[in-house]
Amino acid sequence: AQTVTQSQPEMSVQEAETVTLSCTYDTSENNYYLFWYKQPPSRQMILVIRQEAYKQQNATENRFSVNFQKAAKSFSLKISDSQLGDTAMYFCAFVPSGSARQLTFGSGTQLTVLP
Amino acid sequence: DTAVSQTPKYLVTQMGNDKSIKCEQNLGHDTMYWYKQDSKKFLKIMFSYNNKELIINETVPNRFSPKSPDKAHLNLHINSLELGDSAVYFCASSQDLTGRGAFFGQGTRLTVV
Repeated sequence: AQTVTQSQPEMSVQEAETVTLSCTYDTSENNYYLFWYKQPPSRQMILVIRQEAYKQQNATENRFSVNFQKAAKSFSLKISDSQLGDTAMYFCAFVPSGSARQLTFGSGTQLTVLP
Repeated sequence: DTAVSQTPKYLVTQMGNDKSIKCEQNLGHDTMYWYKQDSKKFLKIMFSYNNKELIINETVPNRFSPKSPDKAHLNLHINSLELGDSAVYFCASSQDLTGRGAFFGQGTRLTVV
């Protein structure tokens, strides 16, 4: 079974600063995908960024980037130039590749961007 | 054009009632899911359907019954609602083999009184 751990229940950052959210996971799978989802107060679950485990290059989407360390089973999210609209709950998630299996989520990190 | 839509967004009902939540996706995905998000925001899989067939059924009371009339729809029926069923229920869909991640509906906040 896979587990996903987010050890920071809450974080805050000043607007325009950079913040890093941590995520570790445990799996015996060799091929898998990792994701960060954002859930703002509107409740909508929004896919922020994805990483394929067999790719060594870290994924980047505009102000969002990841630091993927496969050996350490670590998948952190860096948000640069934080904006007030980034205030949300952030979930790390894992899915094995090649089969119709569900996402396993971490417990989430509530990020507040301060003006 | 909403990719995954679920109705209703809010549902308030009394204990003991039976209710349904509907979900539809227009992405052409072959797998659909129901997740439950509890009061602590923890997301847990309930059911997964692939091409209209049930492939995952986590430890969920049998008062919860999913129905998938076709690949684009996955409805959730709940019998004899209990206070502990109060939560946000998310429908999602994915094209799993691509690993692109799941796309979620806007959630249904169920409150049992």
